[in-house]
Amino acid sequence: EVQLVESGGGLVQPGRSLKLSCAASGFTFSNYGMHWIRQAPTKGLEWVASISPSGGSTYYRDSVKGRFTISRDNAKSTLYLQMDSLRSEDTATYYCATDDILFDYWGQGVMVTVSS
Amino acid sequence: IQLTQSPSLLSASVGDRVTLSCKGSQNINNYLAWYQQKLGEAPKLLIYKTNSLQTGIPSRFSGSGSGTDYTLTISSLHSEDLATYYCYQYNNGWTFGGGTKLELK
Repeated sequence: EVQLVESGGGLVQPGRSLKLSCAASGFTFSNYGMHWIRQAPTKGLEWVASISPSGGSTYYRDSVKGRFTISRDNAKSTLYLQMDSLRSEDTATYYCATDDILFDYWGQGVMVTVSS
Repeated sequence: IQLTQSPSLLSASVGDRVTLSCKGSQNINNYLAWYQQKLGEAPKLLIYKTNSLQTGIPSRFSGSGSGTDYTLTISSLHSEDLATYYCYQYNNGWTFGGGTKLELK
């Protein structure tokens, strides 16, 4: 059974950092690109960042460029999102998801709240 | 690419035929998918590549379109279809539309 399990969320002050993890199981993690997608409270879905299967290519939405870093450890089947200089507008549920429309799986999401 | 969904809120009755629209700011080349999201849950893929039904999704859901304009149709609304629907393009980067919330009239 394919599973994606996010962790690392919580309450953090503006300007501080947080690192999310997404543990994958039930498939060959190193074969798939991965996304981080977020959803602010009562708002829509927003693509945040993506990474290629090898980790050699990364992509970010403009509002997080220079602040967020997506990475992966294929040996541990784990995806990461390092979030620095957090802002109140980064408050959201963060989902990890596979980047293959024919192999579409999402985690259950992890909440990040940026507030003083 | 930006995606604009309309309407943002749709009220319908069980049994109604429902049509949701998604318009791209440029050609999406049919790389358009639809997701359903219920409160407190992760999104679920319904349709990919404009009109391909994901495994396990009821046949009352269908998709159509080309170029910049795409449509999700529910042929006969069931109560369990009440949710928010998002279109998603994966032709050039990745973008979600703003969503259409489907509620009971």
